[in-house]
Amino acid sequence: DAGVTQSPTHLIKTRGQHVTLRCSPISGHKSVSWYQQVLGQGPQFIFQYYEKEERGRGNFPDRFSARQFPNYSSELNVNALLLGDSALYLCASSPGPLRGLDGYTFGSGTRLTVV
Amino acid sequence: KQEVTQIPAALSVPEGENLVLNCSFTDSAIYNLQWFRQDPGKGLTSLLLIQSSQREQTSGRLNASLDKSSGRSTLYIAASQPGDSATYLCAVPGGWTTDSWGKFQFGAGTQVVVTP
Repeated sequence: DAGVTQSPTHLIKTRGQHVTLRCSPISGHKSVSWYQQVLGQGPQFIFQYYEKEERGRGNFPDRFSARQFPNYSSELNVNALLLGDSALYLCASSPGPLRGLDGYTFGSGTRLTVV
Repeated sequence: KQEVTQIPAALSVPEGENLVLNCSFTDSAIYNLQWFRQDPGKGLTSLLLIQSSQREQTSGRLNASLDKSSGRSTLYIAASQPGDSATYLCAVPGGWTTDSWGKFQFGAGTQVVVTP
């Protein structure tokens, strides 16, 4: 079985541009969560989607948005990129929203560099 | 709000020494706690998951303990090897209410270097 797939693995964007990151969950998983990890820090929660509905949002500006498709894959969009958006973006999939950490599988991440 | 702290931020040991990594959390009412390994520029590799009802969990050279009352977990790595060099992160669930499910709180990690 394929794990959580994120694309692209790396990309470089210029300040002010827009970026779209993609995540395909494990087959059968209906929930996708997004995290941002800035260098030297732990991952920070951005969004959780379940059954195509936003279920939770972290403390991020409106420049960050996401959506989930009928096949449960997800896109994270960031507008008007800032240098501070440079980070590793991680996606985690789960069968559904779960209280604990068990049941969540993380992808390998997308490394975004804003210049 | 749950906060997670990992001390030290960095650690360097010679090969063969035992590693002791600490994780503290402010709200002791956690459901479980997970330790991850992260290689430079890579994603998270799950190491050990310890449930709130457990005191410890072991896998090979790794042992994680949990003391909820004091808000601490410790990851022990026995007989360290250069291949253990990585950043180790701990994470706890964001809370017990359903709107917290899936919102994990991570520590900033401990960067470990094991020298040959």
